Amino acid sequence: DIVMTQTPLSLSVTPGQPASISCKSSQSLLHSDGKTYLYWYLQKPGQSPQLLIYEVSSRFSGVPDRFSGSGSGTDFTLKISRVEAEDVGVYYCMQGIHLPLYTFGQGTKLEIK
Amino acid sequence: EVQLVESGGGLVQPGGSLRLSCAASGFTFSSYWMHWVRQAPGKGLVWVSRINSDGSSTSYADSVKGRFTISRDNAKNTLYLQMNSLRAEDTAVYYCARAMRRWGQGTLVTVSS
Repeated sequence: DIVMTQTPLSLSVTPGQPASISCKSSQSLLHSDGKTYLYWYLQKPGQSPQLLIYEVSSRFSGVPDRFSGSGSGTDFTLKISRVEAEDVGVYYCMQGIHLPLYTFGQGTKLEIK
Repeated sequence: EVQLVESGGGLVQPGGSLRLSCAASGFTFSSYWMHWVRQAPGKGLVWVSRINSDGSSTSYADSVKGRFTISRDNAKNTLYLQMNSLRAEDTAVYYCARAMRRWGQGTLVTVSS
């Protein structure tokens, strides 16, 4: 089974400063259709997960442009250019290529300093 | 507005059964694959099952295969998860998700004697 590994597992960021989360997959997420099926979610405290980024770098509807995704193959990164208080929560990456099993990373908890 | 509202959770004894429902509105339900994802208390996200748009194809995580059944009623805009032979480790919040992009608020299932 494919394994998704996130680092760090927690980070504390001063508002206005950038933040970065890494996600590595044990197998390539590049599909034969040319797309790479890597997603990023944020689960705010007490809420259900919300999609931030799909297919590595496409922002979902309504997601602020301070969130960006990059990477290829097995290595991916979520970046927040300037962290705001509302960005606190747990961030998950997920692979959607090695079906039927969708696999999530362990989650990265973002706190505000 | 897209809405997904889960129901049917509750307390059930080990070995018991429960049926979860997810009522969809605000979009053409019959056009989308639907998923169930669960989250044990204080833990990360785990994909459980998915069904294609017309209900002709389903997939399950190994941990629930043979015990859980996903289904849908496109006339009623409703997704279901029939859970049998429940175990303590099935205790979790269960989320339905539209194409792994829009998520409901979840329903809590507790398996305990």
